[in-house]
Amino acid sequence: DIQMTQSPSSLSASVGDRVTITCRASQTIVGFLNWYQQKLGKAPKLLMYAASNLQSGVPSRFSGSGSGTDFTLTINSLQPEDFATYYCQQTYITPRTFGQGTKVEVK
Amino acid sequence: EVRLVESGGGLVQPGGSLRLSCTASGFTFSIYWMHWVRQAPGKGLVWVSRIYSDGTITDYADSVKGRFTISRDNAKKTLYLQMNTLRDDDTAVYYCARAVDNSNFRAFDIWGQGTVVTVSS
Repeated sequence: DIQMTQSPSSLSASVGDRVTITCRASQTIVGFLNWYQQKLGKAPKLLMYAASNLQSGVPSRFSGSGSGTDFTLTINSLQPEDFATYYCQQTYITPRTFGQGTKVEVK
Repeated sequence: EVRLVESGGGLVQPGGSLRLSCTASGFTFSIYWMHWVRQAPGKGLVWVSRIYSDGTITDYADSVKGRFTISRDNAKKTLYLQMNTLRDDDTAVYYCARAVDNSNFRAFDIWGQGTVVTVSS
């Protein structure tokens, strides 16, 4: 199985901050990397697919980059509704493994 | 509206069985891969199983292989997860998810609201 490791596991930030979350795969996943946002008690929501493509309806302050084994999710100018947990997921092979999550909290 | 609605969760004793359902609406259910993902209390997302659009291909996480069975009824637009020999560590919220799956990208673009499974004596 491909292991997905996110860092940090949690971070504290303020509205307006720029936030970067990294995700590393244990082997190459080419560009088959997705990012999801999950708010407390809610289902995950697809933010980015194929590493750098914004899902329809997602604000442009979210961006993604990377290929191979190293990927990043960046949130420019953090908004109050962005405080949530973020997960990366590889869909290169089955099982479709997720990272452990990064919780973005209010500083 | 594109929607997935899970049902069938509940409290079950260790060793017991439960069948989850996920009913789709607002899209052509029969052309999509479908997946189950679970989340134990306070923990992260864990992929459980998937099924091809026509039901001919299925895959499972090692932790559920031999105990869980995924299936679908395209006429009823419904996905199922039959869970047998349940263990305490199967306690989780279970989500169904639709997968967009092509040569350029694969992602879970639609998720249900989840159904809670609690395994406890």
